[in-house]
Amino acid sequence: QVQLQESGPGLVKPSQTLSLTCTVSGGSISSGDYYWSWIRQPPGKGLEWIGYIYHSGTTYYTPSLKSRLIISVDTSQNQFSLRLTSVTAADTAVYFCAAGYNAFGVWGQGTMVTVSS
Amino acid sequence: QSPLTQPITVPGSPGQSITISCTGTSSDVGGYNYVSWYQQIPGKAPKLIIYDVSNRPSGVSNRFSGSKSGYTASLTISGLHTEDEADYYCSSFTSSGTHVFGTGTKVTVL
Repeated sequence: QVQLQESGPGLVKPSQTLSLTCTVSGGSISSGDYYWSWIRQPPGKGLEWIGYIYHSGTTYYTPSLKSRLIISVDTSQNQFSLRLTSVTAADTAVYFCAAGYNAFGVWGQGTMVTVSS
Repeated sequence: QSPLTQPITVPGSPGQSITISCTGTSSDVGGYNYVSWYQQIPGKAPKLIIYDVSNRPSGVSNRFSGSKSGYTASLTISGLHTEDEADYYCSSFTSSGTHVFGTGTKVTVL
C-alpha cells in the first residue's frame, strides 16, 4: 500500500516561497496508478484542493493559485513537490499530499506551514 | 471555482440515520459521477469513505452510502454511532480537469 510523507519548513516569511516535498513509499510514482495531489486546510477551515501532477509531468492547478504555483515530480527520488511563491498569511495552513485521480484514497499526515515574519 | 455547498452542521442521535447534502453545478457534481466523500477527525488527515458517487473503499462500513440526483450529491450514515462524530467533506471532479471540495459538515451525535 502506498504511503505518503510531507516534509518542509514549518515557518515561511511573507513574500517568500513555500516549498514542500511529498515522499512516496510502498509504490512507484511512475506506476501511472495515481495522480499526485496537494490539498491544504487553513486553521479551523475547510479543505482546499491545490493541484495535482501525473508522473508524465502533466499538471492541473486550482485557478486561484495558478499564477503562484508550481507542482513538480522527481521520479528518481519517488517524490513530488509544491512551490508557492509570494506567500501571505492567507497561505497559512496544514498542507496534505494525497494520491488518487477521481478520489483521494491515500493521504499523508499533513504538515503545518505558518506564514509570519 | 466555488466550493460545493454543504450544511454547516447535521445533528443526530445514536442509531438514527442522517443525510448530508453537497450541491454544485453542471460543471462539477451535475456533470460527472466523480463525487467522493471524506471523514475527518480533528487533527487527523481526511479518510476516503465514498468514491464515484456511491462506491465504498474496502474496509469502510456499509453504514455509509452515497447517491446523486442532478446537481446534488448526498451521503447517508445509517445506524449512527458516537464515533461517527466528525467533519465530512464532499469533493467533485470538474470540467476544467480540477477538483473542488465542499464547505464541510460537522456531524454531532447527541
